[in-house]
Amino acid sequence: QVQLVESGGGVVQPGRSLRLSCAASGFTFSTYGMHWVRQAPGKGLEWVTVISYDGTNKYYADSVKGRFTISRDNSRYTLYLQMNSLTAEDTAMYYCAKDPSLYSHSYYFDYWGQGTLVTVSS
Amino acid sequence: DIQMTQSPSTLSASVGDRVTITCRASQSISSWLAWYQQKPGKAPKLLIYKASSLESGVPSRFSGSGSGTEFTLTISSLQPDDFATYYCQQYNSYSTFGPGTKVDIK
Repeated sequence: QVQLVESGGGVVQPGRSLRLSCAASGFTFSTYGMHWVRQAPGKGLEWVTVISYDGTNKYYADSVKGRFTISRDNSRYTLYLQMNSLTAEDTAMYYCAKDPSLYSHSYYFDYWGQGTLVTVSS
Repeated sequence: DIQMTQSPSTLSASVGDRVTITCRASQSISSWLAWYQQKPGKAPKLLIYKASSLESGVPSRFSGSGSGTEFTLTISSLQPDDFATYYCQQYNSYSTFGPGTKVDIK
């Protein structure tokens, strides 16, 4: 069965960096686009970024463009999110999510991880 | 950017009730709309995609309809497991979620 397990969250000071990971299993990772979606405490959902199945195409929400970088290692079945210049507004649960479209991305999500919490605070 | 709204923001209902949640897009998104259910402390779960297609394994009491700018999620007979927050999401242009509708016990 599909499993997505995020890690790397924690408490970080404003302006610092953090790298999240998402370990995937139960499907052929290299054939699906993957996303990061976040949810601030008590708030709604916000799509953050997507990477194509082969890593060649990446798109970002305006709120993180230029600060966050998505990447993937298909040999390791792992998705990453490098987050730089963090601010309090980045405090959220970060979910990795699988796109259902084979060799493409549709921007909706059929499987989600359990999330990893990032808290930006001094 | 495409903005999404949902109504109501909170809905109080009883087991067995028919429940309808409305989602509106700021511009036409054709049928590129999904619905998710989220319970406290859990990740969202996909219920409906392409406005009316039921995700595999989701009970048939859930249904979706609409196109263009107005969409609805209907639960035909509310079950105890259905008390949760529901989000719509457009994926016509990147992705935007609605603010959510919390369904709680009357």
